[in-house]
Amino acid sequence: GEDVEQSLFLSVREGDSSVINCTYTDSSSTYLYWYKQEPGAGLQLLTYIFSNMDMKQDQRLTVLLNKKDKHLSLRIADTQTGDSAIYFCAETADTDKLIFGTGTRLQVFP
Amino acid sequence: DAGVIQSPRHEVTEMGQEVTLRCKPISGHDYLFWYRQTMMRGLELLIYFNNNVPIDDSGMPEDRFSAKMPNASFSTLKIQPSEPRDSAVYFCASSLRTGISYTFGSGTRLTVV
Repeated sequence: GEDVEQSLFLSVREGDSSVINCTYTDSSSTYLYWYKQEPGAGLQLLTYIFSNMDMKQDQRLTVLLNKKDKHLSLRIADTQTGDSAIYFCAETADTDKLIFGTGTRLQVFP
Repeated sequence: DAGVIQSPRHEVTEMGQEVTLRCKPISGHDYLFWYRQTMMRGLELLIYFNNNVPIDDSGMPEDRFSAKMPNASFSTLKIQPSEPRDSAVYFCASSLRTGISYTFGSGTRLTVV
């Protein structure tokens, strides 16, 4: 079955890098995603990576995919207080639905 | 496009009452998804539609929950009768064939007292 796991919390100092990790079980995953949810809001797509890639960079965001270990990470460089939110890893495989992880709550302190 | 539109934003109801949540997907998107978010369970997929047809409702918790999509621009999620444990934020999302286009609404926060 499909399962996506994340650690629940991460706390970093402003200006440091944040690394949020995710593991998944479905080897047929085609796309993997990172979503951000700010308090009281819906989920916003941050970035995604296709399963035949191993890295994608988009401004302060770097996504690394280790397909062999089924491990996905999101690195946020120069983390700001506005980055405080819940970050969800998600995947789609051979179905049309998006399977989400448990979410990682990122707290950025001054 | 205004994005995925959900209504109401907040709903407070008494146990036993019927609750109807509404969603208007992005025009042209042929997939529509209903999710529920709670602290205990995180984000759960309840049901999804393709071209207005329900494809997978295995996430619907029980018979008190029902969802319809009478046309391409409107869907409802109904709970009858509602119970306190149904309190959650309910999200609607729509997409094209690929997951890249997944777009979420702002959610409906339901409180059943």
